[in-house]
Amino acid sequence: AAGVIQSPRHLIKEKRETATLKCYPIPRHDTVYWYQQGPGQDPQFLISFYEKMQSDKGSIPDRFSAQQFSDYHSELNMSSLELGDSALYFCASSKDPGLAGGPSSYNEQFFGPGTRLTVL
Amino acid sequence: SQKIEQNSEALNIQEGKTATLTCNYTNYSPAYLQWYRQDPGRGPVFLLLIRENEKEKRKERLKVTFDTTLKQSLFHITASQPADSATYLCALDMMDTDKLIFGTGTRLQVFP
Repeated sequence: AAGVIQSPRHLIKEKRETATLKCYPIPRHDTVYWYQQGPGQDPQFLISFYEKMQSDKGSIPDRFSAQQFSDYHSELNMSSLELGDSALYFCASSKDPGLAGGPSSYNEQFFGPGTRLTVL
Repeated sequence: SQKIEQNSEALNIQEGKTATLTCNYTNYSPAYLQWYRQDPGRGPVFLLLIRENEKEKRKERLKVTFDTTLKQSLFHITASQPADSATYLCALDMMDTDKLIFGTGTRLQVFP
C-alpha cells in the first residue's frame, strides 16, 4: 500500500541557510500535518492543511512557512536556520471520513519516514 | 497547565507477560485518544483509537482503556514479544483542532 513520502530523508545545512522539506501524502488523503521531533522528545505539531488551506497552526516559528499544493503535496520552508532546528521532521496525512463541513476530528494519521535535518 | 504524561521510565518485561503503559493528562478534554508505536528514527505508526464514550477497545493482542473521569488511558500488550520493543506514544485528539498532542512516550523493552 502507498505510504506518505518525504524528501529528502537527510539534510545537512549551515546556520542561517534555508531548507525545503517535501511531503507527498497517501493518495486521496486531503489533510497534511507537519511535526517536529527533537532528540528524545515527543513530536510537536507545527502546522496542518486541509484541501490546500491552512487548517491549524501550532508552535511553528515565524521563520518557517508551509503550503499545500493542488496535487496535495506539501512543502515546509525553513529560513535562517538555527542549531536548535536540528530535528526529525515528520509529515502525516489523513482523510476526512466523509463528514460534511470540513475536517473530521477522527483523524488517524499516517506518518511518513521523516526528514532528519542537521544544522551545523 | 496542560500536560500529558506517560510512564516516566522505560518499561522492561519478559516475553509472554502483559505490558501495561499509562497515559495521564491534565487540563485537556479530548474527544479521542490514540496510541502510536515509534521505532528509532522512524515515524509513529497508528495502533488504536478510542473515543471518549468508549471504555475499552481491543485489537488482536492490544487493549486500550479510557477513563475520562480519571483522565487516564491504559494500553496493554498481552503475550508480549521481543518484536513489541519500541516507544509507545499516546496522543490526544481534540474536537476543535486537527493536530494530535503527543505524550512523552514510554520505551518498552521485551526480553526473551
